[in-house]
Amino acid sequence: DAGVIQSPRHEVTEMGQEVTLRCKPISGHDYLFWYRQTMMRGLELLIYFNNNVPIDDSGMPEDRFSAKMPNASFSTLKIQPSEPRDSAVYFCASSRTSGEETQYFGPGTRLLVL
Amino acid sequence: GESVGLHLPTLSVQEGDNSIINCAYSNSASDYFIWYKQESGKGPQFIIDIRSNMDKRQGQRVTVLLNKTVKHLSLQIAATQPGDSAVYFCAETWRDDKIIFGKGTRLHILP
Repeated sequence: DAGVIQSPRHEVTEMGQEVTLRCKPISGHDYLFWYRQTMMRGLELLIYFNNNVPIDDSGMPEDRFSAKMPNASFSTLKIQPSEPRDSAVYFCASSRTSGEETQYFGPGTRLLVL
Repeated sequence: GESVGLHLPTLSVQEGDNSIINCAYSNSASDYFIWYKQESGKGPQFIIDIRSNMDKRQGQRVTVLLNKTVKHLSLQIAATQPGDSAVYFCAETWRDDKIIFGKGTRLHILP
């Protein structure tokens, strides 16, 4: 298995631009998680899906962030418009269950908003 | 991995010695705990887990200890190697709810 796949690996954009991050979970995993990691706040859960349905989006910072999962093998995290404080590493993870199950993380997308 | 840096506690250990990384968790009702390892430029990777009905669990070169009385979790790494250099996160969850990650500890191996 190729593991969780994320793209792009690096993204540099200017403030105000739209950013779309992509994730392909491990086949057969029903849960998909989006995390953000920064020096100041560590690893934060943004949102997670079960069977393509958003379950908890309480970690999404504000309305500029949105996430979708149109099918079991693909999810996107969109930031529109982007701001410099959105600069972080964004991780996608998947698992067979939500809490009591190992989450497998992708390599992350390093986002820099200028 | 490299995005968690300046504000992390750091543990420096001589190569070959044992390492002990500590974690205080927040929710007394948490019933499942996990240790993750994150190397520079990579996502967190599962190391070992433990359920609340246990107080010790051993893996290959790693041991996790759980003290529910004081809400404390520790990860012991035997015979630390250069490849163990990473940031280590403890995580907790309760009744199949989402996992909450700690802030992390950087392990630095001295030659």
